Amino acid sequence: KNQVEQSPQSLIILEGKNCTLQCNYTVSPFSNLRWYKQDTGRGPVSLTIMTFSENTKSNGRYTATLDADTKQSSLHITASQLSDSASYICVVSDGHGSSNTGKLIFGQGTTLQVKP
Amino acid sequence: NAGVTQTPKFQVLKTGQSMTLQCAQDMNHEYMSWYRQDPGMRLRLIHYSVGAGITDQGEVPNGYNVSRSTTEDFPLRLLSAAPSQTSVYFCASSYSGRVIYGYTFGSGTRLTVV
Repeated sequence: KNQVEQSPQSLIILEGKNCTLQCNYTVSPFSNLRWYKQDTGRGPVSLTIMTFSENTKSNGRYTATLDADTKQSSLHITASQLSDSASYICVVSDGHGSSNTGKLIFGQGTTLQVKP
Repeated sequence: NAGVTQTPKFQVLKTGQSMTLQCAQDMNHEYMSWYRQDPGMRLRLIHYSVGAGITDQGEVPNGYNVSRSTTEDFPLRLLSAAPSQTSVYFCASSYSGRVIYGYTFGSGTRLTVV
């Protein structure tokens, strides 16, 4: 069964500190992996998209890594800010379907709280 | 450029009532979809459309209908609301259904069925 598991479920850090969020997946065949940020009461906003051949991608203070062999991804946040407080969702696409219209499999998300 | 617009933002329904959640995008995206998000749970796909006139079921389609008469609009209809449909609903669109393209989400509709 295709699944995406994220850890930890929640995390509290102090402003200015770094943190790393984890995502493990059992999706086959794999197409790509995305990280989204979801602020409270808002829709998810894309941070990064990585395909099989990419093992790292950055977006400002956000750096995502992908190990397709171990089926793991991480999202590293550098020098956290209060505005980073949000839920971070890992989403994996499978490679099924015509015209690569694969299905998105969502993780449950990690809730990050950055305190002053 | 408004992106994906969802209306209403909040709605309270009585059990058995029907209503339509609206979703419109102005990016000329072919692919549109509806998700629901329950507290502490992952987003689940309700219905999706790969273009005008084409719709298909997702993971949790029961109790919901959709239609796609134009590229811009993708309304979600609740036929007879039930308390189990209390959730936050998100509409998302993409340039095409090809997974390499990013998805743009609306800001959500919070629905309570009493």
